[in-house]
Amino acid sequence: DVKVTQSSRYLVKRTGEKVFLECVQDMDHENMFWYRQDPGLGLRLIYFSYDVKMKEKGDIPEGYSVSREKKERFSLILESASTNQTSMYLCASRSGGTNEKLFFGSGTQLSVL
Amino acid sequence: QKEVEQDPGPLSVPEGAIVSLNCTYSNSAFQYFMWYRQYSRKGPELLMYTYSSGNKEDGRFTAQVDKSSKYISLFIRDSQPSDSATYLCARSNAGNMLTFGGGTRLMVKP
Repeated sequence: DVKVTQSSRYLVKRTGEKVFLECVQDMDHENMFWYRQDPGLGLRLIYFSYDVKMKEKGDIPEGYSVSREKKERFSLILESASTNQTSMYLCASRSGGTNEKLFFGSGTQLSVL
Repeated sequence: QKEVEQDPGPLSVPEGAIVSLNCTYSNSAFQYFMWYRQYSRKGPELLMYTYSSGNKEDGRFTAQVDKSSKYISLFIRDSQPSDSATYLCARSNAGNMLTFGGGTRLMVKP
């Protein structure tokens, strides 16, 4: 069965801390994505990656960076967490073909105090 | 104007009712549409997708696309309490990326 695993379900951090959110997929997918989900705003794309060591900015990359050293793993980094980064973070993956389906992880609810 | 708009709800219906969930989109440069279902404290899961205008049926679910009016609908027949979730519509753009609506929260009461 297809699986996208996010390392933490809930995370509480303090303002200014460096935060790592990890995502692993077991489907050998080329493409991986990080979204944040906020009430009333839906899913917004932060960063995505088409291949190992490649990354592209999404719609709201400010304050975030990413790392993809291995095909199966895509990390989201908050260099200096701020309260406005409190949100649900969702990782997703899909194969590299056109019109392919996105598979999501269960999400990480991050609270920055 | 957002590219994909949904009424956030909540929409509350009795068990067995026919549910209609709707989205409008503003950009005609699309390839396909998708409906995702998201249960509380879970990630979205793909429910249906369609490439063209008209209807696509899968069990109790029917997806409908009207390109002329830029309208996307999801119909649920014989709704069940287990259908209670947030439903997200999405459309692809020219770069093969998905743009999501804000989601509609559905509650089906026994």
